[in-house]
Amino acid sequence: QKEVEQNSGPLSVPEGAIASLNCTYSDRGSQSFFWYRQYSGKSPELIMSIYSNGDKEDGRFTAQLNKASQYVSLLIRDSQPSDSATYLCAVNMISGGYNKLIFGAGTRLAVHP
Amino acid sequence: ETGVTQSPTHLIKTRGQQVTLRCSSQSGHNTVSWYQQALGQGPQFIFQYYREEENGRGNFPPRFSGLQFPNYSSELNVNALELDDSALYLCASSSTSGRAGGTDTQYFGPGTRLTVL
Repeated sequence: QKEVEQNSGPLSVPEGAIASLNCTYSDRGSQSFFWYRQYSGKSPELIMSIYSNGDKEDGRFTAQLNKASQYVSLLIRDSQPSDSATYLCAVNMISGGYNKLIFGAGTRLAVHP
Repeated sequence: ETGVTQSPTHLIKTRGQQVTLRCSSQSGHNTVSWYQQALGQGPQFIFQYYREEENGRGNFPPRFSGLQFPNYSSELNVNALELDDSALYLCASSSTSGRAGGTDTQYFGPGTRLTVL
């Protein structure tokens, strides 16, 4: 079992729709969770961080965390073509006394006009 | 932009050569982490530096080594390059106490694209 799993996609949604991206993780001790957006050929850009169970909203983005189910999701409302990118789920894992980010392989999102 | 800078942007080397990649962390950040991202995959943790010492290491061989300087900038060195080392190398900076736990948020630089021929 991979430490962080995401569907690779592509996830194709029409402009204006809600895009739902999902992520599961294996380490029950993880406390910090992040969503990064990565455009082709560019580096990851932080979109959201979430630390507590429930929802966290920032503009068109909502992150959801369920630690009991070891599940993190990202909702993008009113999707725009500029949202087309790969979305990386990252989990902060404690190992040997330090924090390290473990990434999923990413879900490619395509928003079509 | 995050304020994290990396150099060079692109690099082409041949198998067996050595390479040094550089990273300047964001102002106020004291920790630098390095990641390797192969095409179509998520970033893989290489190692982390805090207070000029290696603070943790992923599943990479010893030919991957690093340094952190008093100004918190960092270098990644790769010896005896192999074809599979071709990837995007990412540096991320964060502000941390260096102890496990906490909610350190990491901010990435633009990356260095390394091609090994």
